[in-house]
Amino acid sequence: EPEVTQTPSHQVTQMGQEVILRCVPISNHLYFYWYRQILGQKVEFLVSFYNNEISEKSEIFDDQFSVERPDGSNFTLKIRSTKLEDSAMYFCASSERNTGANVLTFGAGSRLTVL
Amino acid sequence: KQEVTQIPAALSVPEGENLVLNCSFTDSAIYNLQWFRQDPGKGLTSLLLIQSSQREQTSGRLNASLDKSSGRSTLYIAASQPGDSATYLCAGSHNNAGNMLTFGGGTRLMVKP
Repeated sequence: EPEVTQTPSHQVTQMGQEVILRCVPISNHLYFYWYRQILGQKVEFLVSFYNNEISEKSEIFDDQFSVERPDGSNFTLKIRSTKLEDSAMYFCASSERNTGANVLTFGAGSRLTVL
Repeated sequence: KQEVTQIPAALSVPEGENLVLNCSFTDSAIYNLQWFRQDPGKGLTSLLLIQSSQREQTSGRLNASLDKSSGRSTLYIAASQPGDSATYLCAGSHNNAGNMLTFGGGTRLMVKP
C-alpha cells in the first residue's frame, strides 16, 4: 500500500538552529500538508500546499516556518530558528484531491526535540 | 472557532465487547468528519470519513455516525479485539477542501485479552 515517508524519525537540535523536516508524499497525490502534535496535546494543522503554493495556513505557521517542494518527490518543512516550544511530532500528509471525500494519508511523523 | 472534544479520554474493555467512542464539535457547519487510529510511534491511519451529506459510514467492524444538528459523531467498534488497542482521533474539516482538520484529543483504547 502506498505510504507517506518522513525523515528523520527523530531530530534533536539546539535552540536557534535551523531544522528541515522531509517528506515524500504518495506519488499521484497533489495536495500536501503539515500537522504537528505537541506531547500530550491535540494534533494541529500547520499548512496545506498545492501547485507550489501555500493554500491555507494556521496562525501557528508564522514567519519562522516555510514549506517547499524542491523537486518532484520531496516536500519539506523548514523551521528557521527553533524555539523550545517547537518541540513536537510533525506529521506530513498528502491527498489526491481537496474536495468531498478528501482522505488524508499521514506519515509516521518526525519527532523534533529542541534543547 | 471549531472545538472538537472526545470522551472518554481513555477506555479499557475486555475482548469481545462492543464499544462506542464519542466525539463532539462546536461548529455544526462541518464539511466532513474523519476518524483516525494512532498507534504509538506511528502516524495517523484514516479509518472512516463521513461527508456532511452523509449520516454514517461502515468498514468491517467499524461504524461511524454523524449528527450535525447535535454536533456529535460516534465510532462504534463491534466485537473488540486486542489489536484494536490504539488511540482513536476524530477530526472535522471546516472548509470544503476538507484539508484543514481540527482534531479532538483522542480516546486511548485498551482491549484486554
